[in-house]
Amino acid sequence: SQQGEEDPQALSIQEGENATMNCSYKTSINNLQWYRQNSGRGLVHLILIRSNEREKHSGRLRVTLDTSKKSSSLLITASRAADTASYFCATLNTNAGKSTFGDGTTLTVKP
Amino acid sequence: DTEVTQTPKHLVMGMTNKKSLKCEQHMGHRAMYWYKQKAKKPPELMFVYSYEKLSINESVPSRFSPECPNSSLLNLHLHALQPEDSALYLCASRRTESYNEQFFGPGTRLTVL
Repeated sequence: SQQGEEDPQALSIQEGENATMNCSYKTSINNLQWYRQNSGRGLVHLILIRSNEREKHSGRLRVTLDTSKKSSSLLITASRAADTASYFCATLNTNAGKSTFGDGTTLTVKP
Repeated sequence: DTEVTQTPKHLVMGMTNKKSLKCEQHMGHRAMYWYKQKAKKPPELMFVYSYEKLSINESVPSRFSPECPNSSLLNLHLHALQPEDSALYLCASRRTESYNEQFFGPGTRLTVL
């Protein structure tokens, strides 16, 4: 993978359940971002967590960051069919001026 | 206007054709990016423009030629492509290279016959 791995690669749940996706990365970071991509479309920025933060919330999204383990998780609570998409974590190397994406998790929420 | 637009949405071309992909943003962003994405894979960075100058070329074959005519426009010129170049090509922008959030366009679905 480019920067790290995400697991699971695919997740299928029922509407109303919670979905948890994990991301691991390899280098030191300033922050980590999560993006969502609907099939065949562009990516949409969901949430950013800085390296000095451990947890962040935005609506039904909850992100955690453990810099000692170089890992992050994205929790979507009370999932909806419209949450069906691929989710990617990304780290920004400010010195190099580029983001590196994880392999992504494909989430399917069944109505 | 917080939108990145890309044209065309779909493109089918032969291996001897020359075509161009276009990307436009009017958010005043000074960093613009081309990514290539294969099915079920993450986006792979191709090129970065910062203040209209090419700052990163991720060892992309010369059959892909980027151009940044001004701060709002980014082109990707295609010539003599191979079938394995078929992919979704995404354009993105951010305020500057060191700014966090990237805004992505909807992509151009390219098929090379």
